[in-house]
Amino acid sequence: RKEVEQDPGPFNVPEGATVAFNCTYSNSASQSFFWYRQDCRKEPKLLMSVYSSGNEDGRFTAQLNRASQYISLLIRDSKLSDSATYLCVVTLSGNTPLVFGKGTRLSVIA
Amino acid sequence: EAEVAQSPRYKITEKSQAVAFWCDPISGHATLYWYRQILGQGPELLVQFQDESVVDDSQLPKDRFSAERLKGVDSTLKIQPAELGDSAMYLCASSSQGSPSEAFFGQGTRLTVV
Repeated sequence: RKEVEQDPGPFNVPEGATVAFNCTYSNSASQSFFWYRQDCRKEPKLLMSVYSSGNEDGRFTAQLNRASQYISLLIRDSKLSDSATYLCVVTLSGNTPLVFGKGTRLSVIA
Repeated sequence: EAEVAQSPRYKITEKSQAVAFWCDPISGHATLYWYRQILGQGPELLVQFQDESVVDDSQLPKDRFSAERLKGVDSTLKIQPAELGDSAMYLCASSSQGSPSEAFFGQGTRLTVV
């Protein structure tokens, strides 16, 4: 079983739609959680950290369910510029390596 | 804005040849990572350094790959001999020490082995 699992997609949605991505992780000792965004042929960049209480950043909402070992990302009012691959990332503690899922590809269509 | 520098951006090499990649992390970042990303997959860790020391190289194919960070600043990743299956993007990332923090990635080196 992979440490971090994501639906690879692709998700093809119209502009203005709401889309949600899910991610599960296998190591219950995991402490920190992130969503990274990766544009085609570019490097990954941090989109947002994921906190136990859930957190929101503009049109983006991330949630964590430790009991189910499940992380989600919700994008509201999708823009063309949101088209990218979204990587779910988990780490055990401060200086342990980031463990990446395979990513979920999103295409927002005009 | 501080960046992680990597070179070269692109490298084409013949199988069985040696190849090397260089990374200069953000100044002051003690932690440096080398990841490999195959097309359509997420990045997978090859090696992690804390200053000049290797923290985790459990996924590094040590028969052909080596990595060093001699002065705890910049780092080199070497493959010898290269194989066709090594074709991938090699990403370097750095982060500051301490509590879980953002890892900053370089633009990567895209390796093609022919």
